[in-house]
Amino acid sequence: AQSVTQPDIHITVSEGASLELRCNYSYGATPYLFWYVQSPGQGLQLLLKYFSGDTLVQGIKGFEAEFKRSQSSFNLRKPSVHWSDAAEYFCAVDSGGGADGLTFGKGTHLIIQP
Amino acid sequence: GAGVSQTPSNKVTEKGKYVELRCDPISGHTALYWYRQSLGQGPEFLIYFQGTGAADDSGLPNDRFFAVRPEGSVSTLKIQRTERGDSAVYLCASSRTGQGTDTQYFGPGTRLTVL
Repeated sequence: AQSVTQPDIHITVSEGASLELRCNYSYGATPYLFWYVQSPGQGLQLLLKYFSGDTLVQGIKGFEAEFKRSQSSFNLRKPSVHWSDAAEYFCAVDSGGGADGLTFGKGTHLIIQP
Repeated sequence: GAGVSQTPSNKVTEKGKYVELRCDPISGHTALYWYRQSLGQGPEFLIYFQGTGAADDSGLPNDRFFAVRPEGSVSTLKIQRTERGDSAVYLCASSRTGQGTDTQYFGPGTRLTVL
């Protein structure tokens, strides 16, 4: 069965500093990988996704993520965070068929210090 | 266009009662998913509909949980004999075709509290 691990429960970053959120997955083949953001009172919003091709994918709000097959990782990055980036971030994997839904990690809570 | 909507936004019920949670997907989306998100956890898959049929209900925790989508649009998640452990946020998502490459668009969720 596929699984997703987000090792950091909380991360605190100063506004304007760079950010990297870690995600490791367990799946036999190349999975479909996603990053979602959840703000208080808001639904989950897709930041970016990876299926194949270029391993560095660009998303919305200035986020990017890099797929590294050798490390089974799909880390999310942003060069300079803004106070509005404070939220819960979820990494998710799909086996590719869509039929069994997404498997999510437990999330990383991002806190932005002024 | 309108996104995925869910009603009610909050539901408080007593242990043992029956509840229904409603999801209105994005118009034209054939795939609909239900997830459950407990406090401090990521969403957990419950059931997937392709059109009117439940293509995969492997995530439903037990037979107290049931979902329908009779006309291939609106879906209702039904929970019988609610237990305190059912308290969570129930999320609905829809996608255009259900293929793995499709983006799943999530609604704001229904927060269920079982007293």
